[in-house]
Amino acid sequence: ETGVTQTPRHLVMGMTNKKSLKCEQHLGHNAMYWYKQSAKKPLELMFVYNFKEQTENNSVPSRFSPECPNSSHLFLHLHTLQPEDSALYLCASSQGVLFGDTQYFGPGTRLTVL
Amino acid sequence: AQSVSQHNHHVILSEAASLELGCNYSYGGTVNLFWYVQYPGQHLQLLLKYFSGDPLVKGIKGFEAEFIKSKFSFNLRKPSVQWSDTAEYFCAVGGGSQGNLIFGKGTKLSVKP
Repeated sequence: ETGVTQTPRHLVMGMTNKKSLKCEQHLGHNAMYWYKQSAKKPLELMFVYNFKEQTENNSVPSRFSPECPNSSHLFLHLHTLQPEDSALYLCASSQGVLFGDTQYFGPGTRLTVL
Repeated sequence: AQSVSQHNHHVILSEAASLELGCNYSYGGTVNLFWYVQYPGQHLQLLLKYFSGDPLVKGIKGFEAEFIKSKFSFNLRKPSVQWSDTAEYFCAVGGGSQGNLIFGKGTKLSVKP
């Protein structure tokens, strides 16, 4: 248990569905992240939020829409996804975004797009 | 652009064998270096990290890593592996102003009992 929780743990959705992934951190951190983990590829950073403000969007398609209502919660809204979007989506948090700050990861949401 | 290379995709060892997993990075500035581990069915967790000072870093569960600046390397070592070390190991580099981590593709370690 790292203090970062993610729900749901598994999600199957059709290409026309709308769903949301939720992440919550109980560590008092100020920065939160979304990563995509696909088989045989490095973890890909998607979004970074620092003090609720988005500081990084790593050229992610608009069918992924993040939301950070406060420093403890992070959402990833999904809409009209493609089968190639099937992956493990990881949330992480850190004290800040300084390059020395350790990131703590949640267990991930395994997403399957049919 | 930053990048991280992990040379081995899958390493298979017997218990008590010594382990060394390679990690090389490309980045011209000051970096911080991390090794994360992902046990089967579990979340990514920090194994060890290097910020500054002694280039030989000791982490949890008997792991250590050595930062060799001239070689842009941060190899992970353990003198004697156990079956419970079976996991996937990820090297990561942090640098730049946003603190983003760049991950390698990971090395899967299988330890035979």
